Amino acid sequence: DAGVIQSPRHEVTEMGQEVTLRCKPISGHDYLFWYRQTMMRGLELLIYFNNNVPIDDSGMPEDRFSAKMPNASFSTLKIQPSEPRDSAVYFCASSLMTVYNEQFFGPGTRLTVL
Amino acid sequence: AQKITQTQPGMFVQEKEAVTLDCTYDTSDPSYGLFWYKQPSSGEMIFLIYQGSYDQQNATEGRYSLNFQKARKSANLVISASQLGDSAMYFCAMREAAYSGGYQKVTFGTGTKLQVIP
Repeated sequence: DAGVIQSPRHEVTEMGQEVTLRCKPISGHDYLFWYRQTMMRGLELLIYFNNNVPIDDSGMPEDRFSAKMPNASFSTLKIQPSEPRDSAVYFCASSLMTVYNEQFFGPGTRLTVL
Repeated sequence: AQKITQTQPGMFVQEKEAVTLDCTYDTSDPSYGLFWYKQPSSGEMIFLIYQGSYDQQNATEGRYSLNFQKARKSANLVISASQLGDSAMYFCAMREAAYSGGYQKVTFGTGTKLQVIP
């Protein structure tokens, strides 16, 4: 398997622009997670899906952030409008369904908002 | 209260020595998993080792072992015979069944930065 795939790997945009991050989980995995990592706040769980259904979005910082999972092999995290404080590395991870299963992380998307 | 606590922001270890990275957790769920991940300077998150709440024996994976003390709610990572390539950030994480909440919860600690000295 190719592992979790994220695109783009790097994104530089200007404040106010819409940003869409993409993730393809490992085939057969039931759970998909979106994380944000910054020096100040560490690794934060933003939202996760179980069988394409959003389960817990309590970590989404504000309404500018939205996430979708239209099918089992694709998810997006959208920021509209983007702000400089959104600059971070965004990770997508997937896993099987039990609490005893590890998460497999994608390589991350480094987002810079100017 | 913090669900996962890593009290060592940074640590140094001499090459070929063993090192223990501390992790304590807090949960009232009977079913949970504890995980350690490594994040080198290149940025990727690498799964290292896992311990289930019902496991009787400590987990081991090569040079990594997990010192699981359930009553104390600790899950320390032990790296034996440290290598220069072990220099990285290490995260402890917990995944809970959260029966009362109806859905799983996943929590990461703040991490420990390990530097291996030649």
